[in-house]
Amino acid sequence: GAGVSQSPSNKVTEKGKDVELRCDPISGHTALYWYRQSLGQGLEFLIYFQGNSAPDKSGLPSDRFSAERTGGSVSTLTIQRTQQEDSAVYLCASSRGAGNQETQYFGPGTRLLVL
Amino acid sequence: RKEVEQDPGPFNVPEGATVAFNCTYSNSASQSFFWYRQDCRKEPKLLMSVYSSGNEDGRFTAQLNRASQYISLLIRDSKLSDSATYLCVVMRGGSYIPTFGRGTSLIVHP
Repeated sequence: GAGVSQSPSNKVTEKGKDVELRCDPISGHTALYWYRQSLGQGLEFLIYFQGNSAPDKSGLPSDRFSAERTGGSVSTLTIQRTQQEDSAVYLCASSRGAGNQETQYFGPGTRLLVL
Repeated sequence: RKEVEQDPGPFNVPEGATVAFNCTYSNSASQSFFWYRQDCRKEPKLLMSVYSSGNEDGRFTAQLNRASQYISLLIRDSKLSDSATYLCVVMRGGSYIPTFGRGTSLIVHP
């Protein structure tokens, strides 16, 4: 079946511009995560959605970052007024439910470069 | 101290070798443990969960040592295709937010 998809796969933008990154989770998966991974670094948690509950935004690094999940499916991560330090790979993952033994399935990521 | 720590490597081993990685975690409330594999410029994929009693999947064996707060991954009869970065993942009880280690790089050479 279809896995997690993300778009765009690559994005080059100028400092100060806004960007939107999209994630389509696996159909039926209620949990959705956003992470970012900088070169040589581990995955940094950003935000977590579970069903209709309020998202856990505890990992968002600044108020320039926000995310939505519409209809419990597609999610959009928005970065306003991008900075060069925002350059990273942004990964989305989904899982069937909220249990802490659930496998996370990752999308291929969006590689963001801020010039 | 970081919540999850791994030796970044790289571990450079010949085909057929046995290699082991450890991952230490600092929070004693940690309850769920996983190993993920990440190939170069690809997304992470689950390799195996780590159970209290230890578990094996083919050439891969995972162990948990709660007393010393570490998990391990043993790979027997290494293949070229095992070359990747291995990510340790820890989740606290009652939390759905995993913490990823920075990964251990494995290079298997002919």
